[in-house]
Amino acid sequence: EAQVTQNPRYLITVTGKKLTVTCSQNMNHEYMSWYRQDPGLGLRQIYYSMNVEVTDKGDVPEGYKVSRKEKRNFPLILESPSPNQTSLYFCASNRRNTGELFFGEGSRLTVL
Amino acid sequence: SQQGEEDPQALSIQEGENATMNCSYKTSINNLQWYRQNSGRGLVHLILIRSNEREKHSGRLRVTLDTSKKSSSLLITASRAADTASYFCATDSRDQGGSEKLVFGKGTKLTVNP
Repeated sequence: EAQVTQNPRYLITVTGKKLTVTCSQNMNHEYMSWYRQDPGLGLRQIYYSMNVEVTDKGDVPEGYKVSRKEKRNFPLILESPSPNQTSLYFCASNRRNTGELFFGEGSRLTVL
Repeated sequence: SQQGEEDPQALSIQEGENATMNCSYKTSINNLQWYRQNSGRGLVHLILIRSNEREKHSGRLRVTLDTSKKSSSLLITASRAADTASYFCATDSRDQGGSEKLVFGKGTKLTVNP
């Protein structure tokens, strides 16, 4: 089954404690991206990757890092989380950068 | 960067009625997509319409695109309670670096009452 899997689905952490949200896709897609969704602000792109070892900033990259060492994986790293990073995060993949996006189920992060 | 804007923000209808949601955008596009999101879940792709197409159907969904007005509409016919969700349009946009990407609107929250 074609899918994008992200973990953890729910996480409560404290300010400054590094965390990683993993994302994996099994569709051999070139493009992967991370979004955050906040009430009233919609879906905003954090980072995206066009292929292995190729990443670029989206609209709201501050406070986040990503890596793309393998085609299927695209982890999102919060080196020093802060409360304003409390949000619902989505990983997505697609065959080309403006084609149909396949989303993961989301990771709800709370930073205290 | 906001490209698509959905209208209305919220819509409440009775089961069996049709639901129409609109999306307006600012710059020229190659394609426009509609997605659905059940509460707190991942977005699911519904339909993609290219800039040279005017109308597209998928089951009970009908999407129109008017590039002269820079707008699109999503019509759900004979709505069901299970259609309750938020609906987003996404348009391709070119950022300052020249890279193309999808930009989402803020969505229309549809409630279908049984």
